[in-house]
Amino acid sequence: GAVVSQHPSWVICKSGTSVKIECRSLDFQATTMFWYRQFPKQSLMLMATSNEGSKATYEQGVEKDKFLINHASLTLSTLTVTSAHPEDSSFYICSARDFGNPYEQYFGPGTRLTVT
Amino acid sequence: DQQVKQNSPSLSVQEGRISILNCDYTNSMFDYFLWYKKYPAEGPTFLISISSIKDKNEDGRFTVFLNKSAKHLSLHIVPSQPGDSAVYFCAASATGGGNKLTFGTGTQLKVEL
Repeated sequence: GAVVSQHPSWVICKSGTSVKIECRSLDFQATTMFWYRQFPKQSLMLMATSNEGSKATYEQGVEKDKFLINHASLTLSTLTVTSAHPEDSSFYICSARDFGNPYEQYFGPGTRLTVT
Repeated sequence: DQQVKQNSPSLSVQEGRISILNCDYTNSMFDYFLWYKKYPAEGPTFLISISSIKDKNEDGRFTVFLNKSAKHLSLHIVPSQPGDSAVYFCAASATGGGNKLTFGTGTQLKVEL
């Protein structure tokens, strides 16, 4: 149980284009999902908290107009990187919180984004 | 401001011996702590957690110890196995903080034959 999937697992895009990453909770309902990014050999940095049916809450320093988050249902959240630039290249990971246990988060496998 | 720190970036242990991974935190509001294991290009996998009302939690080969006065926790793996080789992250959350996780910088564990 508690499986989270992400799609795509990797994507290469040209500078200036937009990329959408999907995060799905497969066997539980997630009222809250989180989006992280990880640079090589660094920790996971929380970008935003996504709540179903409401606007996402962004961490300080994260551009909400650049990283668009939509939590359309209890099992799906999407992150769209708009007008991507090479510095946006990173490993993006989502997690979902099971309503029954508010403390533990279950992570997706991550999406490697490379902007050329 | 790194609120959760793992001061050892790497640790090497022989198979069968004990692995001890350490984590320190500065925010006294943290009241729930978790350990995750991560392989390259994969998402973290939950290992074990502990609430601040406890000082020890055990699950099979994994035991987490919490010393609140020192703001320190540790993960013990015994016996260590080659499959345990991965990056281990500790994470902390605070009730009332939206249960957001703050991650440490990670420790690369290598279990050698």
